[in-house]
Amino acid sequence: NAGVTQTPKFHILKIGQSMTLQCTQDMNHNYMYWYRQDPGMGLKLIYYSVGAGITDKGEVPNGYNVSRSTTEDFPLRLELAAPSQTSVYFCASSYSTAAEKLFFGSGTQLSVL
Amino acid sequence: QKEVEQDPGPLSVPEGAIVSLNCTYSNSAFQYFMWYRQYSRKGPELLMYTYSSGNKEDGRFTAQVDKSSKYISLFIRDSQPSDSATYLCASQGAQKLVFGQGTRLTINP
Repeated sequence: NAGVTQTPKFHILKIGQSMTLQCTQDMNHNYMYWYRQDPGMGLKLIYYSVGAGITDKGEVPNGYNVSRSTTEDFPLRLELAAPSQTSVYFCASSYSTAAEKLFFGSGTQLSVL
Repeated sequence: QKEVEQDPGPLSVPEGAIVSLNCTYSNSAFQYFMWYRQYSRKGPELLMYTYSSGNKEDGRFTAQVDKSSKYISLFIRDSQPSDSATYLCASQGAQKLVFGQGTRLTINP
């Protein structure tokens, strides 16, 4: 099993551009999450999904959108990128509630210049 | 007030030392407590998982939760250079984990 796969690993975006960070998992997990990690700030939840067709906002959703059309995929869309969105983005999944172990992808390092 | 607070360090200790990493949390409804380890340029991986109060031991690692004081600890015995990483504590909120800031730990040979 590949686990949680994120693409791309690195990307540089210009201010005002849009892009989609891809995330897919092959563990048949119901729950999927997007986090961002800034230096010394831990992980902040952007959006999460409890199953296909269901998404909900996390702690820092502004400037982002998500969709969950299949169990496997949970893309994160950045609209009108801003320098404040420069961060490392992690996708994660778990079988059921957050009390279950989270499996993380290897991250996408995004710079907005 | 952040729901989970953790001293970001950095913390540097010699090989073989006992390491103590600590967090506090504010929500008394939290029942599940975890420690994730994150190596440089990698995603976090679950290291320890504890339900409610008490201790849990796994090899050189011991996780401790004191719900009366809302205190979470991770102890590493006989620390090794391979233990050098960022350690994140986490507690369960409503359907999602809340993470601390992470402590960067370096074990010096």
